[in-house]
Amino acid sequence: GESVGLHLPTLSVQEGDNSIINCAYSNSASDYFIWYKQESGKGPQFIIDIRSNMDKRQGQRVTVLLNKTVKHLSLQIAATQPGDSAVYFCAENSGYSTLTFGKGTMLLVSP
Amino acid sequence: DSGVTQTPKHLITATGQRVTLRCSPRSGDLSVYWYQQSLDQGLQFLIQYYNGEERAKGNILERFSAQQFPDLHSELNLSSLELGDSALYFCASSEGPGQAYNEQFFGPGTRLTVL
Repeated sequence: GESVGLHLPTLSVQEGDNSIINCAYSNSASDYFIWYKQESGKGPQFIIDIRSNMDKRQGQRVTVLLNKTVKHLSLQIAATQPGDSAVYFCAENSGYSTLTFGKGTMLLVSP
Repeated sequence: DSGVTQTPKHLITATGQRVTLRCSPRSGDLSVYWYQQSLDQGLQFLIQYYNGEERAKGNILERFSAQQFPDLHSELNLSSLELGDSALYFCASSEGPGQAYNEQFFGPGTRLTVL
């Protein structure tokens, strides 16, 4: 498959571990955040979103935490599986009706 | 499969040339977005159309243009191509006009290589 980035930070975990991927965002006025997953050779896929009036949101095996004080977003993946191997990146809506995307973190899950 | 289709999958061309990338949104989606993804820049928003009208503009060069047709498919035109335009170009679609609170579904992308 095609690589989406050669210089991305990488997180390597064992199957079954919990993974935490972090994202620092830039605009304190951002009111909406999304996490995307991008597998090799594919387009980004929506995972979970959160509004700025929340600090935690849970999905299926995923949890997003938002800390507005330090402008930090994290994605927690429970019981990580080999199929979770991908690039994960966050996006923020800074109020101008456009999304700004982070560069991403590559998650490698070994069996 | 997101339901968004893009053609061609790969495109190889020379500097100075012009190419057209095509996108068909998911059935029922009125918004189409174009993004460029390069190795050093990450995913960059280029432009959005909603129901045929330009809705938002991002970091799109003047050499690039786009349009959305009455059947809602969209085309991205890239002209006077430079080596630095080599990248993955993604199209996404969503139901509503806003980028927030409105899930975008991405196509598989077009890999453009400029030689």
